[in-house]
Amino acid sequence: QVQLQESGPGLVKPSETLSLTCTVSSGSIIGYYWSWIRQPPGKGLEWIAYIYHSGSTTYNPSLKSRVSLSVDTSKNQFSLKLSSVTAADTAVYYCARHVSSDSSGHEYLGSWGQGTLVTVSS
Amino acid sequence: DIQMTQSPSTLSASVGDRVTITCRASQSISSWVAWSQHKPGKAPKVLIYKASDLESGVPSRFSGSGSGTEFTLTISSLQPDDFATYYCQQYNSSPLTFGGGTTVEIK
Repeated sequence: QVQLQESGPGLVKPSETLSLTCTVSSGSIIGYYWSWIRQPPGKGLEWIAYIYHSGSTTYNPSLKSRVSLSVDTSKNQFSLKLSSVTAADTAVYYCARHVSSDSSGHEYLGSWGQGTLVTVSS
Repeated sequence: DIQMTQSPSTLSASVGDRVTITCRASQSISSWVAWSQHKPGKAPKVLIYKASDLESGVPSRFSGSGSGTEFTLTISSLQPDDFATYYCQQYNSSPLTFGGGTTVEIK
């Protein structure tokens, strides 16, 4: 069973860039789409963006101007950068693997990491 | 964006109860809905995909139904391990969106 683990600083200053990495184990990063999702304290889930192992990306329009994803297949990792952060970006950040439910091309978020809390504060 | 409206937001129930959670989509999404269980500090666990297909290893007391705009997750007999927060997720189109969540509490 694939396992995902988020890592990165738990505290980021306002206006700086939040950087997180997701390490994939017990499975290859090749051949799958990989997403970042976040959940502010006491609020709902928000999908941020996804990346394919080739590096192609799709972003949520609400965050597109500040988000950048990258992938390192040699390390079985993919990463998130969110620039110009504010307190509103304080959240638990999750990484997840997409899973195909059939041959239609529709994929759901099938395997998740346990999440990491990032607080934006000076 | 497709809005997913989930109800109720909180549900109080006892072990053995039958529990139903509903998600309504703002437009038709065929059967492209997944349901997941979330517990603090743990990796979320997907229970149902494609509206009604049971994820491997998930107990059969969990079931899903619906298509188009209305979907339900049912727990046929609530167990102690089932007290958690549940979310629906639409994957019909980007951006992927989620319901607001339903917290199942001990009555």
